[in-house]
Amino acid sequence: EAQVTQNPRYLITVTGKKLTVTCSQNMNHEYMSWYRQDPGLGLRQIYYSMNVEVTDKGDVPEGYKVSRKEKRNFPLILESPSPNQTSLYFCASSLRAGANYGYTFGSGTRLTVV
Amino acid sequence: SQQGEEDPQALSIQEGENATMNCSYKTSINNLQWYRQNSGRGLVHLILIRSNEREKHSGRLRVTLDTSKKSSSLLITASRAADTASYFCATDNQAGTALIFGKGTTLSVSS
Repeated sequence: EAQVTQNPRYLITVTGKKLTVTCSQNMNHEYMSWYRQDPGLGLRQIYYSMNVEVTDKGDVPEGYKVSRKEKRNFPLILESPSPNQTSLYFCASSLRAGANYGYTFGSGTRLTVV
Repeated sequence: SQQGEEDPQALSIQEGENATMNCSYKTSINNLQWYRQNSGRGLVHLILIRSNEREKHSGRLRVTLDTSKKSSSLLITASRAADTASYFCATDNQAGTALIFGKGTTLSVSS
């Protein structure tokens, strides 16, 4: 089944403790992206990747890192999480960037930083 | 930035009724997409309509696009309780590096 797999689904952590949210897709998509979703603010892009070893900042990249060493994986790293990073996170992939192609989203990771 | 804005913010209907959601955007687009999100879950791509198309159908979904008014509408016919979800329109950002989503319309279908 074509899908984007995110783990974990839920995570509660403490301020400053490094964490990684994994994202993997099995569709050989070139483009991958991370979004966060917050009430009243909607979906905002954190980082994106046009292809292997090509990543760039989205609208809200502060406090996050990403890497794209393989085509299928695009982990999101929070090196020193803070409470304002409490949010619902989504990984998405697409054949290529742009509105010509639909995005496939993961099921989401609900992160709480205390 | 380019962004779709859905209207209404919330919509409550009975099963069997039709649901219409509207999306307005600010600048020229290549294509526009609609997505559905069940509570707390990932978004699901519903339909893509190209800028040179005026109407597109997929099952019980009908999407229209009026580029002169910079608006699109999503019609769900014969709604079911399972259609209860939030619906988002999305367009390209100017750099073509991201989809920009509106705040969504929350649809509630009661039986």
